[in-house]
Amino acid sequence: AQSVTQLGSHVSVSEGALVLLRCNYSSSVPPYLFWYVQYPNQGLQLLLKYTTGATLVKGINGFEAEFKKSETSFHLTKPSAHMSDAAEYFCAVTAYNTDKLIFGTGTRLQVFP
Amino acid sequence: KAGVTQTPRYLIKTRGQQVTLSCSPISGHRSVSWYQQTPGQGLQFLFEYFSETQRNKGNFPGRFSGRQFSNSRSEMNVSTLELGDSALYLCASSWDFQGNTEAFFGQGTRLTVV
Repeated sequence: AQSVTQLGSHVSVSEGALVLLRCNYSSSVPPYLFWYVQYPNQGLQLLLKYTTGATLVKGINGFEAEFKKSETSFHLTKPSAHMSDAAEYFCAVTAYNTDKLIFGTGTRLQVFP
Repeated sequence: KAGVTQTPRYLIKTRGQQVTLSCSPISGHRSVSWYQQTPGQGLQFLFEYFSETQRNKGNFPGRFSGRQFSNSRSEMNVSTLELGDSALYLCASSWDFQGNTEAFFGQGTRLTVV
């Protein structure tokens, strides 16, 4: 079975500050891990994904995440927050041979000027 | 190229009615999945289809059903609507079902049951 835990349903940062959104996963098979972003009244947009290979993955809009198998974590970071980063972020896990995504409960990011 | 198209965008139905939601995937994509998003339960997996075959089904009652057509377009149906079915229903398409390819999401259909 697979599951995802996102610590912190709300995170607030100042513009220009570091963004850190936490994600821990549980999977009995090698996981594929994803971060998606959702803006109000929109669908989900992929920020980045880890499947195999390099454990530090870079995504769009300056975001990156590191897969740490020993910690079962896949935290999302961005060095400098921008006002346009305010949105809801979802961590998700799946595995080989299925497109079924298991999502975390989401983290709403607020960015203050 | 065109993204994932979901119709209608908004829908208001009465308890006990049934509803059909439509999803047109990106051209060439043969895998379609459906998700329900609510404030209380978050994003929950409903179905996964590939080449007209249902590959996975989430933990939802039998009132929720779906299908995929030969052109990869998909529909989901909810019968005997309940107030708790009010949600944003999201469709996602991808090239295949291998799990490591990007799923592209539509903007969703917001269903309100009154």
